[in-house]
Amino acid sequence: DAGVTQSPTHLIKTRGQQVTLRCSPKSGHDTVSWYQQALGQGPQFIFQYYEEEERQRGNFPDRFSGHQFPNYSSELNVNALLLGDSALYLCASSLRDGTVNQPQHFGDGTRLSIL
Amino acid sequence: GQNIDQPTEMTATEGAIVQINCTYQTSGFNGLFWYQQHAGEAPTFLSYNVLDGLEEKGRFSSFLSRSKGYSYLLLKELQMKDSASYLCAVFNQAGTALIFGKGTTLSVSS
Repeated sequence: DAGVTQSPTHLIKTRGQQVTLRCSPKSGHDTVSWYQQALGQGPQFIFQYYEEEERQRGNFPDRFSGHQFPNYSSELNVNALLLGDSALYLCASSLRDGTVNQPQHFGDGTRLSIL
Repeated sequence: GQNIDQPTEMTATEGAIVQINCTYQTSGFNGLFWYQQHAGEAPTFLSYNVLDGLEEKGRFSSFLSRSKGYSYLLLKELQMKDSASYLCAVFNQAGTALIFGKGTTLSVSS
């Protein structure tokens, strides 16, 4: 049973560039959330996708956008990269269940470095 | 708003017991999670508490007091492999996204 998979593992970009990160959820999961984790900090919620729509968004600028595909996989796009965007980007998947709060399962993340 | 506090670092020796505390303030409580994260790896789910009391799962136990906004993770019979960051998280008001603390880095020595 494949868990959450993310690509690429590492990425180096320069300021002003754009980047796309990819995530495939755990089998059976339909909801994908993206988090940013700076060094020495806990993950911070960026946004969540369900049924191909952004359902909830954290305190991140519009430079951060995303997409969910019919097979539940997801992309995170960041435009006009800043040095402060250097972080570990984590994808988490879960099964939306109206009665029970399901635990989110995390991928290994993409380490993004901005030069 | 929501806020989570946990100690930054803790140290312990192999075979010992350690308790990692977490206090939280939230506008609506939908459950509290503990995750373990080894350096360079993904957070892995340890426990979920939504009702008051102690949940035991092998060497790890988690406790919740909703009236006090308090939880702890108890690790028994510590092993070197338990050296990791331990993240306390609560659901946001909508019950969909996780709000994390900064994590507690636990170092286990022999």
